Amino acid sequence: NAGVTQTPKFQVLKTGQSMTLQCAQDMNHEYMSWYRQDPGMGLRLIHYSVGAGITDQGEVPNGYNVSRSTTEDFPLRLLSAAPSQTSVYFCASSRQITENEKLFFGSGTQLSVL
Amino acid sequence: AQKITQTQPGIFVQEKEAVTLDCTYDTSDQSYGLFWYKQPSSGEMIFLIYQGSYDEQNATEGRYSLNFQKARKSANLVISASQLGDSAMYFCAMRESISGNTGKLIFGQGTTLQVKP
Repeated sequence: NAGVTQTPKFQVLKTGQSMTLQCAQDMNHEYMSWYRQDPGMGLRLIHYSVGAGITDQGEVPNGYNVSRSTTEDFPLRLLSAAPSQTSVYFCASSRQITENEKLFFGSGTQLSVL
Repeated sequence: AQKITQTQPGIFVQEKEAVTLDCTYDTSDQSYGLFWYKQPSSGEMIFLIYQGSYDEQNATEGRYSLNFQKARKSANLVISASQLGDSAMYFCAMRESISGNTGKLIFGQGTTLQVKP
């Protein structure tokens, strides 16, 4: 059972570089999302998707882009990396958007921007 | 305003003892879900337990139970018979039915639990 797969696990970027964090799930979940985790701040929602072709912004979307061309994949793009984007990134999915559905998380990507 | 509050940044417990991790929440929604996740030092987020706002019984999952007091808006996690492997960060989280349709899971700041042998 793969669940939610995130790659890479670690990444170091220079300021201004771009990159894509990959996320794939094999549970046929409609809902997918990206969070960032910063010390003392819990996890905050960056972007989310309720189905293929549908994406929207969360609470901290600036500097990030997403797309959802298939149900399985939900990549997160950093357009021009900044030191403020140094964080741990989690992809998460659930069957639906409802309040009783738990989120399944990927193993996280630790990103450092120098 | 903070919607999920975990007031214990770090707590210690002796192995084999029970421990309670505090969580209070704030919502105007009638229908919501409360979740606890465990984050060990390896970094992954592990789902532990879920409580629905309309559930009359406290949720239990093995050694984990959720002490749900709706009127006080608290959802404390109780771990019985602590084990060394329980040492981790624990997050309380809430998913509202009217969270702007974002499906957002609202997290607290976490509590670090250390189990002493």
